[in-house]
Amino acid sequence: LAKTTQPISMDSYEGQEVNITCSHNNIATNDYITWYQQFPSQGPRFIIQGYKTKVTNEVASLFIPADRKSSTLSLPRVSLSDTAVYYCLAPMDSSYKLIFGSGTRLLVRP
Amino acid sequence: DTGVSQNPRHKITKRGQNVTFRCDPISEHNRLYWYRQTLGQGPEFLTYFQNEAQLEKSRLLSDRFSAERPKGSFSTLEIQRTEQGDSAMYLCASSSPIAYEQYFGPGTRLTVT
Repeated sequence: LAKTTQPISMDSYEGQEVNITCSHNNIATNDYITWYQQFPSQGPRFIIQGYKTKVTNEVASLFIPADRKSSTLSLPRVSLSDTAVYYCLAPMDSSYKLIFGSGTRLLVRP
Repeated sequence: DTGVSQNPRHKITKRGQNVTFRCDPISEHNRLYWYRQTLGQGPEFLTYFQNEAQLEKSRLLSDRFSAERPKGSFSTLEIQRTEQGDSAMYLCASSSPIAYEQYFGPGTRLTVT
């Protein structure tokens, strides 16, 4: 399982774009990069998953360079409700268990 | 589809007592997972079921912990002889056979006094 490293915390303001970068130097060929979001007192929620290049959905974009040793989660025009912990994972082992780190605590200010 | 549900949402128990939590996954999901989360940390994997078979258990799951999924639907997690260190949020998640995304329930917060 690939170990991931991401910033402990980030601050932003409403309306700004937020980019959270995750490092996964030992990612394996079969690993996908996956991001989850967690609000206080709730379970994590899947945001986006990708293997290479760029993936976009209604919530976020995920940028993965060719060497796949890092990835960037991009949240466009954040609002106060985006304040949460964001986890970067590379989960692809045979049992699909998820190995969470400590995540990045994003605080969006008015 | 109402998502993954967990009961109870909160449990306060005295040290040494046994507790049991229940998880009802999304109906068509054959994979079910239990995680534990302490304050300020990400969730830690405990165990994983595919249908009724328990395929993996973490070393975190001591012999005081047992999980079952008898008919491949709901699951229970029992902690015997609880200790204060068991205080945590216990999260259940499920996933379908064709997708890697896991859907998490709201969790059961256990406080051992």
